Amino acid sequence: GAVVSQHPSWVICKSGTSVKIECRSLDFQATTMFWYRQFPKQSLMLMATSNEGSKATYEQGVEKDKFLINHASLTLSTLTVTSAHPEDSSFYICSARSAGRAGNLDTQYFGPGTRLTVL
Amino acid sequence: KNQVEQSPQSLIILEGKNCTLQCNYTVSPFSNLRWYKQDTGRGPVSLTIMTFSENTKSNGRYTATLDADTKQSSLHITASQLSDSASYICVVSDPGGGADGLTFGKGTHLIIQP
Repeated sequence: GAVVSQHPSWVICKSGTSVKIECRSLDFQATTMFWYRQFPKQSLMLMATSNEGSKATYEQGVEKDKFLINHASLTLSTLTVTSAHPEDSSFYICSARSAGRAGNLDTQYFGPGTRLTVL
Repeated sequence: KNQVEQSPQSLIILEGKNCTLQCNYTVSPFSNLRWYKQDTGRGPVSLTIMTFSENTKSNGRYTATLDADTKQSSLHITASQLSDSASYICVVSDPGGGADGLTFGKGTHLIIQP
């Protein structure tokens, strides 16, 4: 099956620093990638939609200047948390959309997630 | 508002036993329904995906059922193993919904005890 990787898998940083998280589709091209945030015992919350070659679309309540998204190629999207604060500590998950081979059933493949801890 | 409700919220069973997780949804229109397994500290991994016309789909010891009339789905786990301990998330695809077209349930946290 399709594989999506994230790097790093975990990161600890000081308050005020910026952190970049990479999301790669390893064996397929993804024109659209999504970024989610998940707090403990909660469901995944969509933060933004990343489209290759265009600006990201952010969900209501997500600060676009704080969570910078770049989708420079069909296999790579990055999320940069700028001036991170302790409340940004969370589990960040990306997913990549692939056109299904059977019946055109679109499928999203999720990355393994990145645990961000801001001290 | 489209919703996906899962029950129970958490479940503890002994290794080797069977269990069934429930998912009720109000999403309409409906494209497909997916069950994911999410290990602690990991991203969700797809178990099954069913379209409107499918009633059941199996993946090893996991069997998902779908009743599109009553908008209910279940995930049955047979002969549970310790590695089945995880959160199981029901996700309904609604092409006309949000940007990702998905509505997530909050998951059932399953613990398998030896």
